Order: sequence, then C-alpha cells, then structure tokens
Amino acid sequence: EVQLVESGGGLVQPGRSLRLSCVASGFTFDDFAMHWVRQAPGKGLEWVSGISWNNDGIGYAESVRGRFTISRDNAKNALYLQMDSLRADDTALYYCAKEGQWMVSLDHWGQGTLVTVSS
Amino acid sequence: IQLTQSPSSLSASVGDRVTITCRASQGIGSVLAWYQQKPGKPPKILIYDASKLESGVPSRFSGSGSGTDFTLTISSLQPEDFATYYCQKFNSFPLTFGGGTKVEIK
Repeated sequence: EVQLVESGGGLVQPGRSLRLSCVASGFTFDDFAMHWVRQAPGKGLEWVSGISWNNDGIGYAESVRGRFTISRDNAKNALYLQMDSLRADDTALYYCAKEGQWMVSLDHWGQGTLVTVSS
Repeated sequence: IQLTQSPSSLSASVGDRVTITCRASQGIGSVLAWYQQKPGKPPKILIYDASKLESGVPSRFSGSGSGTDFTLTISSLQPEDFATYYCQKFNSFPLTFGGGTKVEIK
C-alpha cells in the first residue's frame, strides 16, 4: 500500500523559513516523479512544485519560484520542500503527491501538513 | 496556461447526469486529469489522460476532450459523489489546477 506521510509544518513568522518532509513507502520511490500541492483554508488546489525521479526535471509555481526549493533523497525515500521568505499567503495545507506511472496524474496523496505564516 | 472550470458550483439530485467543463487557455493535447475532493480529505484521482478511468473508480465517471476543451461527466449522481472536482493539466510545468467545481445536493 502506498503511503505518503508529510511533516514539518507549523506556525512561523513572516520572512522566516520552514522545511517540509514527505516519507514514502509501498512503492519504488526512485521510479516516480513527486510533487507538492497546497490548499489555503477554504480555497482550491494550487500546484507548488515537482521533481523528476532523477532530479533532472524540476518546476515551480510562479508564486513560489525563487523562495521555495524542492529536493529528494532516493536513498531515504524522502521528498523535501525548503520554504524561505515565507509570506502570509503561503498559509496552507501542503500535500505531498506521487505522480502516476503514465506521468499524467497524481495518483496518491498524503494527508498534508499545515503551514501557518503569521506574526 | 490557465484552466477555467465551469460551473464553479452546481446543485443536483441523486440520479442526475452532471457535466463539468474545464477549458485551457491554450491547447494541451490530452494530458488532463480530474480529481474528486471531499471535505477534510486529500484529492482522489478519477480520470487521467483526459478520458482514462483510474483503477477502482466507478464507471459512472467519464472524461472526454482534447486540445482546449474537456468535460467530466457523472452519468448518475450518487450520494457519495457530492464533493468538489478539479481538473489539472500535465503537459508542462506549471501543472496548473482549475478553480474547482463544487457539486451540492439539491
């Protein structure tokens, strides 16, 4: 069974940093691209960032480019999101998601970790 | 490329046929996915590659379209289908989502 478990969320002041982690199990982690998707309270889904299985393909939403950095450690089955210069509008539930085998969907999602940016 | 979903919400009864539209601002081929999200839960994949049904998803769900215009159809709405539905493009980064369509009970 595929499991994705996010951690690292919390309350942080504007301008500070936070690092999210996602530990994967139940599949061959280094065979698949991985993504971060967020959802602000009461709002829709926003794709944040994605990384290919071998790190040669990385993308970011315009809203986070230059502030967030995605990375992965295939030896640890782990995905990360380093979030710097956080702003109030980064407040959201952050989901880790696995890309499907045909690379045209996100077929498994974690339960999310909540990031609140406030002074 | 922007994805515009319509309607943003709708009210329907059990047994109704429901159609949700997702329009891309530029052509994206067929690399579009549809998700269902219920309150307090992560999204669940329904359709990938515009028309392919994810394993385990009931056959009352179907997807169609290519280029800029896509539809998600629920042939006979069931009580468990009341949720919010999102489309997402997969042709290139950024993998934008549509704004969502909330399906409510009439």
